Amino acid sequence: EVHLEQSGTEVRKPGESLVISCKGSGYTFASYWIVWVRQMPGKGLEWMGIINPSGSDTRYSPSFQGQVTMSAVGSLSTAYLQLHSLEASDTAMYYCARRVHSGDRGGQFDYWGQGTLVAVSS
Amino acid sequence: QSALTQPASVSGSPGQSITISCTGSSRDISSYQFVSWYQQHPGKAPKLMIYEVSVRPSGVSNRFSGSKSGNTASLTISGLQTEDEADYYCSSYTGSSPLWLFGGGTKVTVL
Repeated sequence: EVHLEQSGTEVRKPGESLVISCKGSGYTFASYWIVWVRQMPGKGLEWMGIINPSGSDTRYSPSFQGQVTMSAVGSLSTAYLQLHSLEASDTAMYYCARRVHSGDRGGQFDYWGQGTLVAVSS
Repeated sequence: QSALTQPASVSGSPGQSITISCTGSSRDISSYQFVSWYQQHPGKAPKLMIYEVSVRPSGVSNRFSGSKSGNTASLTISGLQTEDEADYYCSSYTGSSPLWLFGGGTKVTVL
């Protein structure tokens, strides 16, 4: 069974940074890119970016470029999302999801992690 | 690029059919067949309901159907059931940065 397991709730102060992990199991991690999606409290989904399973290729949304860093370690079947210089406005649920596609473009997100809640407060 | 446009809310009685629209532009929905829909219940992760405009993943009820015309995609839920009450998000591939867009979400209420 395909499963994406994310790391647990994080509480940080403004200015700090953190790393969220997303470990894939039940499938060949090396065959699927991973996307990251933010959901602020009471708000909709926002596409943050995508990374290939080896970590060698990333595409960020302009809205998040420079604010986050995505990485992946294929041998660990794990993708990571680093959030820099946290602000209160970074308080949100962050999801990873597996991108599935039949070609080299497009696709959709068929399996999602359970989400990681990040709270930023002084 | 701005998010795709969805109505904030749609409601219907059990057994009825409802349709949720998702309006984009010539750079996204019009140009690609990679339109998908996600269902999200409160406190849960999103779930893929429709992909490539009209394809249902295995295990998704055939009461859910999708279509597209021009720059607008639609999700129809027929035979509305109480468990369909949730938020629904459309998404489209864009081919340029950002590579995907989501809609603002539509809250479906079963009266």
